[in-house]
This record gives sequence, structure tokens and C-alpha cells, in this order.
Amino acid sequence: EVQLVESGGGLVQPGRSLRLSCAASGFTFDDYAMHWVRQAPGKGLEWVSGISWNSGSRAYADSVKGRFTISRDNAKNSLYLQMNSLRAEDTALYYCAKDTYAADRSPSWGQGTLVTVSS
Amino acid sequence: EIVMTQSPATLSVSPGERATLSCRASQSVSSNLAWYQQKPGQAPRLLIYGASTRATGIPARFSGSGSGTEFTLTISSLQSEDFAVYYCQQYNSWPPWTFGQGTKVGIK
Repeated sequence: EVQLVESGGGLVQPGRSLRLSCAASGFTFDDYAMHWVRQAPGKGLEWVSGISWNSGSRAYADSVKGRFTISRDNAKNSLYLQMNSLRAEDTALYYCAKDTYAADRSPSWGQGTLVTVSS
Repeated sequence: EIVMTQSPATLSVSPGERATLSCRASQSVSSNLAWYQQKPGQAPRLLIYGASTRATGIPARFSGSGSGTEFTLTISSLQSEDFAVYYCQQYNSWPPWTFGQGTKVGIK
């Protein structure tokens, strides 16, 4: 069974940093691209960032480009999101998500970790 | 960027009735389309992937259809637990993954 468990969220002041982690299990982690998706309170779903299986490709939403960095450690089956220069509008639930690969056409999501940016 | 447009924004349905939700992509996403259900305070729950395959444990009253740019989620007979917000998502290409704005299914 695929499991994605996010951690690292919390309350942080504007301008500060936070690092999110996602522990993956139940699938061959280094076969899959991975993503971060967020949902601000009362809003819809927004893709934040994605990384290819070998970290060769990384991409970001315009809203976080230059402030957030996605990375992965295939040896540890882990995905990360380093968030710098946080703003109030970054307040959201952050979800880790697995892409599809070969015959596995089903994306999967974790339960999310809450990031609150406030003074 | 592929823009996903859902309609209607709000749907009022009586329990036991059929609900039909639509999702349109601005360019073809093949069959790489997922539907999610979200209830207040909960993470999105995968209902359908590959445009028409039900995820594990999803009741048969949920069905998906379509390919290319036009997709439909049908709930054949609405149960009380089905009142929620539904999102479509294309995962055909990134960056970025893109989502529809959601359809809220409420009690009539």
C-alpha cells in the first residue's frame, strides 16, 4: 500500500524558513516523479513544485519560484520542500504527491502538513 | 499551461438522484485525468484515475468517462456521504499539474 507521510509544518513568522519532509513507502520511490501541492484555507488546489525521479528536472509555480526548493533522497525514500522568505499567502495545507509511472496510472497523496505564516 | 474548467460551480441534488459533473481541458490530456472528493477538514480522496478507473474502495455509483479534453464524473444515486467538493486534475504533463476550480455538490 502506498503511504506518503508529510511532516515539518508549523507556525512561522513572515520572512522565515521552514523545511517540509515526506516519507514514502509501499512503492519503488526512485521510479516516480514527485510533487508538492497546497491548499490555502477555503481555496482550491494549487500545484507548488515537482521533481523527476532522478532530480534531473525540477519545476516551480511562479508564486514560489526563487523562494522554494524541492529535493529528494532516493536512498531514504524521502521528498523535501525547503521554503524560504515565507509570506502570509503561503499559509496552506501542503500535500506530498506521487506521480504515475508505466502501468501505474494512479496518483497518490499524503494527508498533508499545515504551514501557517503569521507574526 | 493546461487550464482545467469545471462546471457547474455548484450543484444541488436530492439524495437518490443522479449527479453529473463536467471538466474540460484547454488542450488534450489523453486519459490522464483524475477526480477527487474533498470534505471539510479532510485531504482530497482519489475517486477516479485514468479518466474512468475507480480507485480502490470507491463505490460503483461513481463513474468517470471521457478522453482528450472533455470529461464527466457521474454519481448514479447520491448518498448523504457524497455531498462534498469535487476536483478534476490533469497529470498528463508537468509543469504544472493543474486542477479545476471545484464543483460543490450540495443537498437540494
